[in-house]
Amino acid sequence: KQEVTQIPAALSVPEGENLVLNCSFTDSAIYNLQWFRQDPGKGLTSLLLIQSSQREQTSGRLNASLDKSSGRSTLYIAASQPGDSATYLCAVLDYGGSQGNLIFGKGTKLSVKP
Amino acid sequence: DAGVIQSPRHEVTEMGQEVTLRCKPISGHDYLFWYRQTMMRGLELLIYFNNNVPIDDSGMPEDRFSAKMPNASFSTLKIQPSEPRDSAVYFCASSFFRQGGETQYFGPGTRLLVL
Repeated sequence: KQEVTQIPAALSVPEGENLVLNCSFTDSAIYNLQWFRQDPGKGLTSLLLIQSSQREQTSGRLNASLDKSSGRSTLYIAASQPGDSATYLCAVLDYGGSQGNLIFGKGTKLSVKP
Repeated sequence: DAGVIQSPRHEVTEMGQEVTLRCKPISGHDYLFWYRQTMMRGLELLIYFNNNVPIDDSGMPEDRFSAKMPNASFSTLKIQPSEPRDSAVYFCASSFFRQGGETQYFGPGTRLLVL
């Protein structure tokens, strides 16, 4: 059974710092890996989607990498800002399931202090 | 498009009462998902539909939970009778099919408290 783990559970950094969020998964047979952002009291917003054949995706100050063989992904945030404060969730789409088999980690709660 | 719409946004009810959560997916999306989020268990898939047909309901906790999708623009998740352990945030999400998987678009969620 696929399991997704995110470390650390919480992270606090000063504004301007570059940071890395980590995600690991137990079964490398995935269609894709996605990073979402969740603000308090809100739904999830997709940030980046990496297909299983890809190694990384970039969007603005965000860069996500995928290493399927080791079951790891990282989300790199450059020059962090207070507006980046949110919970970041990693999710994998399993081969074993279908379109709906998106398995989430529990998230990393990021706080960027001015 | 207004995005995925859920109602109500907050629901407080007493144990034993029936609760109905509603969702309107993004127009044109052929997949609809219901999730539950708790501190202990994180985000869990309850059930999902493709073209209004339930595909996988293995995540539905028990018979007290039921979901329907009578048409492409509306779905309900019903809990009857409700219990305090059902307290959680319930999310609806929708997507369209693309080879390799497509991202899901989430609604704002319904925060349910069962007393």
